[in-house]
Amino acid sequence: DAGITQSPRHKVTETGTPVTLRCHQTENHRYMYWYRQDPGHGLRLIHYSYGVKDTDKGEVSDGYSVSRSKTEDFLLTLESATSSQTSVYFCAIRRDRGYTGELFFGEGSRLTVL
Amino acid sequence: RKEVEQDPGPFNVPEGATVAFNCTYSNSASQSFFWYRQDCRKEPKLLMSVYSSGNEDGRFTAQLNRASQYISLLIRDSKLSDSATYLCVATEAAGNKLTFGGGTRVLVKP
Repeated sequence: DAGITQSPRHKVTETGTPVTLRCHQTENHRYMYWYRQDPGHGLRLIHYSYGVKDTDKGEVSDGYSVSRSKTEDFLLTLESATSSQTSVYFCAIRRDRGYTGELFFGEGSRLTVL
Repeated sequence: RKEVEQDPGPFNVPEGATVAFNCTYSNSASQSFFWYRQDCRKEPKLLMSVYSSGNEDGRFTAQLNRASQYISLLIRDSKLSDSATYLCVATEAAGNKLTFGGGTRVLVKP
């Protein structure tokens, strides 16, 4: 158990509304990631963070913003949700020690935008 | 073209049989490679790393072919519990970004 919790786990919202997903870790690791997973596309990196207030874009960052004001929390915001953002969102951490490629994922947040 | 590509399957495998599948990557600068396993509606979990010399973990064998830019996973003596989607992953040099393939679905049947 890597101590990662995502909230909410399920959300239904309407087009144009703002949505914030939260990822919380209990182990104080530097690296945190947000991925989305869609059929036919696999997991795609949205944003990642390498420390408090240090973030970088992934391959599908348009329409998303992130914030990391504390080590333990990494927030993903959809400023104005669109139907194309209906997806399962996974947060992940990379432990500071261990394999570079080993990510520990949260259980996912299923977002439906109507 | 996707950076990391996989045959989506499904690969239907009789219990006890061997199954193998590949994953190709387009970025020749990719540094490290991994296989993840994802069960239906669950989060992905690391299965194993892939080394240039090839590596084995029980019934699982992973290989890397840098010249042809692909990695492979072989599962011997398949169990029903091996039914899952297998995701291959490539990292860039610094290791900060992990790029996932779309996954290969394996169904092991009695």
